[in-house]
Amino acid sequence: SQQGEEDPQALSIQEGENATMNCSYKTSINNLQWYRQNSGRGLVHLILIRSNEREKHSGRLRVTLDTSKKSSSLLITASRAADTASYFCATDLSGGGADGLTFGKGTHLIIQP
Amino acid sequence: DTAVSQTPKYLVTQMGNDKSIKCEQNLGHDTMYWYKQDSKKFLKIMFSYNNKELIINETVPNRFSPKSPDKAHLNLHINSLELGDSAVYFCASSQVHRDFYNEQFFGPGTRLTVL
Repeated sequence: SQQGEEDPQALSIQEGENATMNCSYKTSINNLQWYRQNSGRGLVHLILIRSNEREKHSGRLRVTLDTSKKSSSLLITASRAADTASYFCATDLSGGGADGLTFGKGTHLIIQP
Repeated sequence: DTAVSQTPKYLVTQMGNDKSIKCEQNLGHDTMYWYKQDSKKFLKIMFSYNNKELIINETVPNRFSPKSPDKAHLNLHINSLELGDSAVYFCASSQVHRDFYNEQFFGPGTRLTVL
């Protein structure tokens, strides 16, 4: 069954604005990861947050994790046209990823110039 | 150099045929995966494989079988293709450590269309 649910399913903002995407999941996790997928391409890893972490930063990305609510958010600050893509959260249940990742449905982000 | 590569990029075939998709990684990773992305962009794990263990998603039909000639390759064989098999198939790899948490590297995908 599906583990993650991203919200919103689609988001359109102006260049320079911040974009926030949310992810909820159902079972206990080892870590949660965010990936980006440009149209017609493979997925690219953005950031990983462990279950014992609450917040993590990487460049213009900020990820939070609330294990009590089983939710995570991805914030992209000062968005650029190149950020247009689909964003997926993925949960790793086993630790180390040996069982593969369980993905949400994704948020399609459009940055308007 | 491409880290995870797949061939072919596009595959169009008739229902009932048998086909294979090849995947190679040059990252030295010990674990490889196959994912299926449907028309609604939903990604689902199909297989996780390293030289010790094959983990199969129980919902995957046994018409699908992974074959690994060596650590750097994990091919996907599909027998008796059905219309519902049309999707984009992604190969991925990672280095699995129980004490570490590692990202997965994805290939560019193979778009399979069954007619």
